[in-house]
Amino acid sequence: QKEVEQDPGPLSVPEGAIVSLNCTYSNSAFQYFMWYRQYSRKGPELLMYTYSSGNKEDGRFTAQVDKSSKYISLFIRDSQPSDSATYLCAMKVSGGGKLIFGQGTELSVKP
Amino acid sequence: DGGITQSPKYLFRKEGQNVTLSCEQNLNHDAMYWYRQDPGQGLRLIYYSQIVNDFQKGDIAEGYSVSREKKESFPLTVTSAQKNPTAFYLCASSIGNRDRSEKLFFGSGTQLSVL
Repeated sequence: QKEVEQDPGPLSVPEGAIVSLNCTYSNSAFQYFMWYRQYSRKGPELLMYTYSSGNKEDGRFTAQVDKSSKYISLFIRDSQPSDSATYLCAMKVSGGGKLIFGQGTELSVKP
Repeated sequence: DGGITQSPKYLFRKEGQNVTLSCEQNLNHDAMYWYRQDPGQGLRLIYYSQIVNDFQKGDIAEGYSVSREKKESFPLTVTSAQKNPTAFYLCASSIGNRDRSEKLFFGSGTQLSVL
């Protein structure tokens, strides 16, 4: 079993839709949770960063962490064609250790 | 502009040949990383370095080598021992403090293909 599981998609939605992207994990020691966005043939860029549990909102993006269920989500409201990319979840324990990435979910937002 | 520069963007390797991928950063970050990305497999860590003249193997180091002679530079050599080198290679850096090393900054990647 992988430490981090992410549905690879692809996921196709119409413009304006609410998108939900999810990851599950097995290591209860993870404390840092991130979402990276990667456009085709480019390097990933950090989109959202959360420490421990709770929600974080940034514009149209909301990141949620549910440590009791070992489940994290990224919500995109009013999705735009420019949101079409691969979204990678990543997580890490506190005090060292490496960043563990999910497989990435490919999202396509159709105009 | 501060950032990470990877070169070349595309690279072709002949059988039995070693090739070197360049990675330079001007972010003054202590830590640097090399990842390999294959379709549907996310990012896998090849090597990382937290300080000059020191580096550690990641999850898939076999067939690869690195050096860290300067803070700004972390080149990756794909040796002939790597039998399946075709992939997208990403270099990244972070501040390096172990509790802040989760925020990675990535280069634009190098696509390596076998002729």
